[in-house]
Amino acid sequence: NAGVMQNPRHLVRRRGQEARLRCSPMKGHSHVYWYRQLPEEGLKFMVYLQKENIIDESGMPKERFSAEFPKEGPSILRIQQVVRGDSAAYFCASSPPSQGNEKLFFGSGTQLSVL
Amino acid sequence: RKEVEQDPGPFNVPEGATVAFNCTYSNSASQSFFWYRQDCRKEPKLLMSVYSSGNEDGRFTAQLNRASQYISLLIRDSKLSDSATYLCVVNKEGRRALTFGSGTRLQVQP
Repeated sequence: NAGVMQNPRHLVRRRGQEARLRCSPMKGHSHVYWYRQLPEEGLKFMVYLQKENIIDESGMPKERFSAEFPKEGPSILRIQQVVRGDSAAYFCASSPPSQGNEKLFFGSGTQLSVL
Repeated sequence: RKEVEQDPGPFNVPEGATVAFNCTYSNSASQSFFWYRQDCRKEPKLLMSVYSSGNEDGRFTAQLNRASQYISLLIRDSKLSDSATYLCVVNKEGRRALTFGSGTRLQVQP
């Protein structure tokens, strides 16, 4: 049973380009979460999705950031017109559908570097 | 005030020592509590859940005090491999998303 798969592991973008980060949840998991970790800081919640639905996006920046979890395929975190401050580790996590089970299982993360 | 507060450390302890970490949370409606471990910018991994009655897993003991909104983690007989950052994690009632503290760094020395 494969764990949470994220790709790419490392992504380098120049300022103004777009970054697309992908996440495939664990088999049987229907809930996906994105977290961001800036250098020397803790993990910050960004967004929580179920298939085809954004459930909680209270941690998403208002501009340039979007997330989706389509019926088929991985969840995508998209950052448009990246700036140096977007450089961070982006972790995806998934959890089972059962209510009350909030244990998260994390992928290895995508390290985004903006030049 | 941060939702979850931890002493960042570092805690430098010799092998075999007992070390305790504390964490406070601000939202009294929080229902689920966990300790995660993160090694050197890798992904966080679940260490253990925390229950009001207290729970133990080998050398690790976690305790929750709802009245004081305080969570603790005790590590006995520290090993070199315990060196990591320990993250205190809570959720809010009605929210599945977990809130992470900034972590407490532990360095176990030979």
